[in-house]
Amino acid sequence: GEDVEQSLFLSVREGDSSVINCTYTDSSSTYLYWYKQEPGAGLQLLTYIFSNMDMKQDQRLTVLLNKKDKHLSLRIADTQTGDSAIYFCAEIVNSGYALNFGKGTSLLVTP
Amino acid sequence: DARVTQTPRHKVTEMGQEVTMRCQPILGHNTVFWYRQTMMQGLELLAYFRNRAPLDDSGMPKDRFSAEMPDATLATLKIQPSEPRDSAVYFCASNPGTNYGYTFGSGTRLTVV
Repeated sequence: GEDVEQSLFLSVREGDSSVINCTYTDSSSTYLYWYKQEPGAGLQLLTYIFSNMDMKQDQRLTVLLNKKDKHLSLRIADTQTGDSAIYFCAEIVNSGYALNFGKGTSLLVTP
Repeated sequence: DARVTQTPRHKVTEMGQEVTMRCQPILGHNTVFWYRQTMMQGLELLAYFRNRAPLDDSGMPKDRFSAEMPDATLATLKIQPSEPRDSAVYFCASNPGTNYGYTFGSGTRLTVV
């Protein structure tokens, strides 16, 4: 199938904002997701956005959705060292149930 | 917090051996997924079930992989015979039948030597 595209690496300084970008494939995806994976752990749902929304804010997280360009972004404000992890973008595949993931963006937060 | 439980956490086996991975979904979740994670391919969907019935297993090599849900509290993924290229982390996830409730287990790290 087609790939959900993400940049592989991002490095930011503690306290700065991080922006992780994603291009998804299915314009009919009703929900889009951001997951976080810490070393040796499973995937933790961070947030999701319904396709009729342009923006969703949840504490330090802001999700922006551009349906025309099939572009999704995750902004983390005041990034902390504990935010260092791999972040995955995911879309609902056409079946309506399973998720199609990007390959993940490794975020490194330096002091 | 409710969680998805996977066993074993780690498995090292010799090529040709049978491997069985187990998953206990969250009580009340009626949709169960199996994903495989590798460095090269990322997260690949292998199979998923809804109300214990297989909905899609097109991502699974049929000749050696099989997935079942003997009951609502147990999902299994079997590989027979295992090969070194099967080495990966296998994740189970469950969902209550909505589009915003996916919960992943901690995974089974499989190494086939």
